[in-house]
Amino acid sequence: NAGVTQTPKFQVLKTGQSMTLQCAQDMNHEYMSWYRQDPGMGLRLIHYSVGAGITDQGEVPNGYNVSRSTTEDFPLRLLSAAPSQTSVYFCASSYSKGQAFFGQGTRLTVV
Amino acid sequence: GEDVEQSLFLSVREGDSSVINCTYTDSSSTYLYWYKQEPGAGLQLLTYIFSNMDMKQDQRLTVLLNKKDKHLSLRIADTQTGDSAIYFCAESGSGGYQKVTFGTGTKLQVIP
Repeated sequence: NAGVTQTPKFQVLKTGQSMTLQCAQDMNHEYMSWYRQDPGMGLRLIHYSVGAGITDQGEVPNGYNVSRSTTEDFPLRLLSAAPSQTSVYFCASSYSKGQAFFGQGTRLTVV
Repeated sequence: GEDVEQSLFLSVREGDSSVINCTYTDSSSTYLYWYKQEPGAGLQLLTYIFSNMDMKQDQRLTVLLNKKDKHLSLRIADTQTGDSAIYFCAESGSGGYQKVTFGTGTKLQVIP
């Protein structure tokens, strides 16, 4: 069972570069979310989706875009990377009751 | 917005019980969760409790909910070295199930 798959696992970007973090789930979950994890701050919600074609902003959406063209995929785009976006990014999916299944994370460093 | 608070660190001896505490502010919380994160890994759901319950037990794990005080705790009986991890308290409710608010995490260190 694949569950939630994130790629890449590690990435180094230069300031101003753009990139897409990929997230795919094979559990047919309606809900998908992106979080960033920073030391001492827990997980903060960036964007989320309640189904294909529907996305909304979370707590810290600035500098990130998302789209949800299929149930399975929920990519996160960094438009112009900044050092403040250095973080560990987690994608999660859930079907009900908020019981989220998390990917293994993408560790992003912006220099 | 909603806020979830936890202490950052807890150290216990192997075989003792661990109690990790959490407070939250959202009075509309419907579900409250405990997640475990091991080094270099994503979060794994350990257990959850519906807001109309005050206790849930699952093997070595006991969750206590005091809705009046908005206080949630996780007790791990007979703590093992494999329980060393970061434990996150989280809640969902007023924002919908997909909007889960996480605490900062409590790092549990188990001393052999």
